[in-house]
Amino acid sequence: DQQVKQNSPSLSVQEGRISILNCDYTNSMFDYFLWYKKYPAEGPTFLISISSIKDKNEDGRFTVFLNKSAKHLSLHIVPSQPGDSAVYFCAASVRGAQKLVFGQGTRLTINP
Amino acid sequence: GAVVSQHPSRVICKSGTSVKIECRSLDFQATTMFWYRQFPKQSLMLMATSNEGSKATYEQGVEKDKFLINHASLTLSTLTVTSAHPEDSSFYICSAAYVNSNQPQHFGDGTRLSIL
Repeated sequence: DQQVKQNSPSLSVQEGRISILNCDYTNSMFDYFLWYKKYPAEGPTFLISISSIKDKNEDGRFTVFLNKSAKHLSLHIVPSQPGDSAVYFCAASVRGAQKLVFGQGTRLTINP
Repeated sequence: GAVVSQHPSRVICKSGTSVKIECRSLDFQATTMFWYRQFPKQSLMLMATSNEGSKATYEQGVEKDKFLINHASLTLSTLTVTSAHPEDSSFYICSAAYVNSNQPQHFGDGTRLSIL
């Protein structure tokens, strides 16, 4: 049972444009969501998170949106840069439990 | 920021060998460490949660006698894959967290394990 789903295995975006990565979840108990970025042969690096009491969190070029009714979150990167090319994982947890459930990842490629 | 070091980064060994992977938190005390496994093009799957000084909690379907976890100090956890077989070949990643902290988990760079 995949509780966190990233239905797009890959995404290609032109440099300077907006990248939008999507994530859906099924467990209504999740109340804390994170995005991680991963380069090949490296561990995931934390990017941005959002608590369920918010619907938006912004950090520089990265913004995460949460739609609780739809059980959907998205990561917006604008403007996209070549260094953003990586695999992006969304993850969810019940706050305080620390146990993370990851989606399958989306490979983002930024084209010059 | 916080750094988690994982060693070795790559292991190639014969079937039947036991392999130990170390996970160290370098600049903070990690009361909890997590071990994940990732198959190609798939998600990170949590294998077990280890708390310093106590037994690890394994996820359903993970053999505790196969994957031995030790968390003897606040900066070190080890995962030993015992009598490894080719189906154990995978990418293993650890992460560390401080209990009751609002900080996200910090991940090591992973270990690519290949069993011949």
